[in-house]
Amino acid sequence: EDQVTQSPEALRLQEGESSSLNCSYTVSGLRGLFWYRQDPGKGPEFLFTLYSAGEEKEKERLKATLTKKESFLHITAPKPEDSATYLCAVLSNQAGTALIFGKGTTLSVSS
Amino acid sequence: DGGITQSPKYLFRKEGQNVTLSCEQNLNHDAMYWYRQDPGQGLRLIYYSQIVNDFQKGDIAEGYSVSREKKESFPLTVTSAQKNPTAFYLCASGRLAGVGTDTQYFGPGTRLTVL
Repeated sequence: EDQVTQSPEALRLQEGESSSLNCSYTVSGLRGLFWYRQDPGKGPEFLFTLYSAGEEKEKERLKATLTKKESFLHITAPKPEDSATYLCAVLSNQAGTALIFGKGTTLSVSS
Repeated sequence: DGGITQSPKYLFRKEGQNVTLSCEQNLNHDAMYWYRQDPGQGLRLIYYSQIVNDFQKGDIAEGYSVSREKKESFPLTVTSAQKNPTAFYLCASGRLAGVGTDTQYFGPGTRLTVL
């Protein structure tokens, strides 16, 4: 069964304290891995798509990486405005077009 | 401005009532999706459509119905048969599978509460 697990569930950081969020997955043929940011009461905002192991993408203080079993979202020198829930989702060859989501990591950055 | 709109933002339903959630997109995407989000759970797929007048059930379709009469619109009806409808409902759209990027883009959501 295709599955996505995110850790930790919650993460508290001081402003400027870099860290990483983990997304481990088991799928029958990965077609793509997606990272989204979700603020309270709002829809998920697209961040990155990764397609193959070794791929990396960056946007401002965020960098996403992908291996054959997991993805990391690295946050460098975070600011309070980076506080949000970060969602990971995968698209497998077997699931058609249905994204399979993890439960998310809620990040709080204090100044 | 291209994007996905959902309405209403908040919706209240009485027991035994059907309600319809609106989703419109002007991104020229062929595929549209409905997800449900509950606290502490990942998003779960309700229905999806890859082409006008065609749609498929997702993992939790019971108690829901959809229609796709126009490319831009994919309304979701929550029927009285859905026993626990209180949740945050998210509409998404994207290109057809295998046609360019598989990224799905989300609307702002509708929060449905059963009174």
